[in-house]
Amino acid sequence: GAGVSQSPSNKVTEKGKDVELRCDPISGHTALYWYRQSLGQGLEFLIYFQGNSAPDKSGLPSDRFSAERTGGSVSTLTIQRTQQEDSAVYLCASSLDPGEQFFGPGTRLTVL
Amino acid sequence: QKEVEQDPGPLSVPEGAIVSLNCTYSNSAFQYFMWYRQYSRKGPELLMYTYSSGNKEDGRFTAQVDKSSKYISLFIRDSQPSDSATYLCVKTDKLIFGTGTRLQVFP
Repeated sequence: GAGVSQSPSNKVTEKGKDVELRCDPISGHTALYWYRQSLGQGLEFLIYFQGNSAPDKSGLPSDRFSAERTGGSVSTLTIQRTQQEDSAVYLCASSLDPGEQFFGPGTRLTVL
Repeated sequence: QKEVEQDPGPLSVPEGAIVSLNCTYSNSAFQYFMWYRQYSRKGPELLMYTYSSGNKEDGRFTAQVDKSSKYISLFIRDSQPSDSATYLCVKTDKLIFGTGTRLQVFP
């Protein structure tokens, strides 16, 4: 069956521009997670959704980052006024809550 | 000090070797730990999880938790080139991932 998909796979943007990253979770998975993976830093938890609500936004690094989830399915992570330090791979995962997290392939963001 | 510490490697071993991958953790608020494997340019995939101290075995892989020393290990027997990947340990109470250890198994 279909796994978690993310789009775009790669995104190059200029400093100061806004970007939107999309995650399509596995159908029926109620929990959705966003992580950021920088070189040598491991996975950094950003936000967790249960259904459409986000009980844990503690990992969002600044108010330039926001995320939403609609219909208990697709989620969008938005980064406003991108900075060079935002360059990383952004990973999305979904799970039956609780349960094993299934990860997407990630979106590689490069901010010039 | 990070809650989960992991040597980034790379760890390079010949095919057939026994591999030991290790993590230490600093906070005793403990639910369970997971090991994920991540191939280059792919998302991580769950390899093993363990709920308590002791060993858990799955084929060539053994996960070990020592709560007294706050040490987590993953052993790979008869390592194969296809095992070449980054291995991440995860402390699941706060979804805290280690930085990952990059393993290279050469033929």
